[in-house]
Amino acid sequence: GENVEQHPSTLSVQEGDSAVIKCTYSDSASNYFPWYKQELGKRPQLIIDIRSNVGEKKDQRIAVTLNKTAKHFSLHITETQPEDSAVYFCAASIRGFQKLVFGTGTRLLVSP
Amino acid sequence: EAEVAQSPRYKITEKSQAVAFWCDPISGHATLYWYRQILGQGPELLVQFQDESVVDDSQLPKDRFSAERLKGVDSTLKIQPAELGDSAMYLCASSLGLAGPTDTQYFGPGTRLTVL
Repeated sequence: GENVEQHPSTLSVQEGDSAVIKCTYSDSASNYFPWYKQELGKRPQLIIDIRSNVGEKKDQRIAVTLNKTAKHFSLHITETQPEDSAVYFCAASIRGFQKLVFGTGTRLLVSP
Repeated sequence: EAEVAQSPRYKITEKSQAVAFWCDPISGHATLYWYRQILGQGPELLVQFQDESVVDDSQLPKDRFSAERLKGVDSTLKIQPAELGDSAMYLCASSLGLAGPTDTQYFGPGTRLTVL
């Protein structure tokens, strides 16, 4: 079936460093790629998304890049802060189905 | 800001018992999703509604799980009987329903189920 692989599963950085999380997808027809942040005990919240007609999107310290040829996309967080600590999930839309498939998540820990 | 509501937030039950979860989507959202999130994994879609109709329930274990959205607004997910392996977070999400999977999905706080 269609799947989304996400790496790394855990990521520890020092405050101020950059963090990069990568996802690969299998469905060449996928055209929508959101990223969700889930803090401990809270609901997943959309932080940024990208559609297949663009290669990069940026929102302040967060950016997402998409390589359709290689079928992978990445989340970039610059100048990380302790409040960025959370689990981040990527997802991809699935052709023929009105649904998203999620990655397994990356636990980001930003140390002061 | 409108949010998806879910209840209860926590549920502890014994195996073979019946449990039910409730979800109230953001007003005006036509699409409603139920996800199961096992600890350490991403959300997995169980069932998707467009208004009151089921769009996708291919991953719903229909021998024990059922879901309904009778008036196309709020929804109930039921498990009967519950099994130990059902312990997980059950998340509800909703979206406007205008653009299919590219609509932004807004999640509720979830119901954490523990089956003893």
